[in-house]
Amino acid sequence: DAGVIQSPRHEVTEMGQEVTLRCKPISGHDYLFWYRQTMMRGLELLIYFNNNVPIDDSGMPEDRFSAKMPNASFSTLKIQPSEPRDSAVYFCASRPSTGLYEQYFGPGTRLTVT
Amino acid sequence: GNSVTQMEGPVTLSEEAFLTINCTYTATGYPSLFWYVQYPGEGLQLLLKATKADDKGSNKGFEATYRKETTSFHLEKGSVQVSDSAVYFCALTSQGGSEKLVFGKGTKLTVNP
Repeated sequence: DAGVIQSPRHEVTEMGQEVTLRCKPISGHDYLFWYRQTMMRGLELLIYFNNNVPIDDSGMPEDRFSAKMPNASFSTLKIQPSEPRDSAVYFCASRPSTGLYEQYFGPGTRLTVT
Repeated sequence: GNSVTQMEGPVTLSEEAFLTINCTYTATGYPSLFWYVQYPGEGLQLLLKATKADDKGSNKGFEATYRKETTSFHLEKGSVQVSDSAVYFCALTSQGGSEKLVFGKGTKLTVNP
């Protein structure tokens, strides 16, 4: 099993630019989660999907952030325009609809906005 | 809502020392409890879990027991290794359903040879 795949692993961009982070969940998993991790705030849930439908986006910091899941095997998190305070590691996680609710995390995308 | 309180780190130990990382929770109902580990430069990995009171989760020499009377799920290991150096997160299922996990702030462990 390939696990959750995220790309890119590292992204450096200038303030004001658009950033798109990508995630491929584990095949057969019905839930997909996007998290942000920083030293100051720790691990924050941004949004999650069930069967490609956004269920809870209350963690999305502001309108500059958007997430989509056009099909069961792909999701994107977009930041437009990006700001230096968006610098963080962004994780994607997935899990099946049955079982004990454990989530499987990807390796993360380290975003630096200068 | 449900919440997790983890002991603050960082924790620094010598190899073969005994490890305890405290975790207490506030929850309604009967949440499932988890410990996740994050090695440097990687995503979180599930370390162990417990789904009901008095259950003991164990993996790789780590153990944690679901204590409902003290609302705790402390992580222990009898003899740590340098390779255990990582950040450890306690988590539980959220109130009103198990779709989300609520994570603690994480405890960084460094094991020196």
